[in-house]
Amino acid sequence: QKEVEQDPGPLSVPEGAIVSLNCTYSNSAFQYFMWYRQYSRKGPELLMYTYSSGNKEDGRFTAQVDKSSKYISLFIRDSQPSDSATYLCAMSSGSARQLTFGSGTQLTVLP
Amino acid sequence: NAGVTQTPKFRILKIGQSMTLQCTQDMNHNYMYWYRQDPGMGLKLIYYSVGAGITDKGEVPNGYNVSRSTTEDFPLRLELAAPSQTSVYFCASSPPGSVGLSGELFFGEGSRLTVL
Repeated sequence: QKEVEQDPGPLSVPEGAIVSLNCTYSNSAFQYFMWYRQYSRKGPELLMYTYSSGNKEDGRFTAQVDKSSKYISLFIRDSQPSDSATYLCAMSSGSARQLTFGSGTQLTVLP
Repeated sequence: NAGVTQTPKFRILKIGQSMTLQCTQDMNHNYMYWYRQDPGMGLKLIYYSVGAGITDKGEVPNGYNVSRSTTEDFPLRLELAAPSQTSVYFCASSPPGSVGLSGELFFGEGSRLTVL
């Protein structure tokens, strides 16, 4: 069993849709949860960061962590074609040495 | 600031050849990393460094070597290239403790390597 599981997609939605991206994990020591966005042929860039359980909102993006279920989500409201990218979840127990990435979900938002 | 700069962007190697992927950052970050990204596999840590003169192995170090003589530079050396090393390589940097504070690693744009 992989330490972090992420549905690779691809996921295709119409512009304006609400997008839900998810990851599950098995290591209960993970405390720090991140979502990175990676455009085609570019490096990943940090999109959202959450410590422990709860929700965090930033504009159209909401990150949600449920440590009891070992499940994290990223919601994108009013999705735009510019949101088309691969979204990688990442999590850590506290050191970058232990940062574990999901395999990424490829999202396409159709105009 | 240029951020994290990687060269070359693309390279084709023959089996058994050697090469060095260059990485430099201008953010004065202590921590630097090398990851490889294979389709459907996520990012895997090859080596990392917490400062000049200090390096350590990550999850998949076999077939690679690194050095860190300055804060800015963190080259990755491939010795005796094999087809299994065909991948996209990303260099990243972060301030110390950033995973616990902000979760942010700063990535370069990647180096695509093909070994034939």
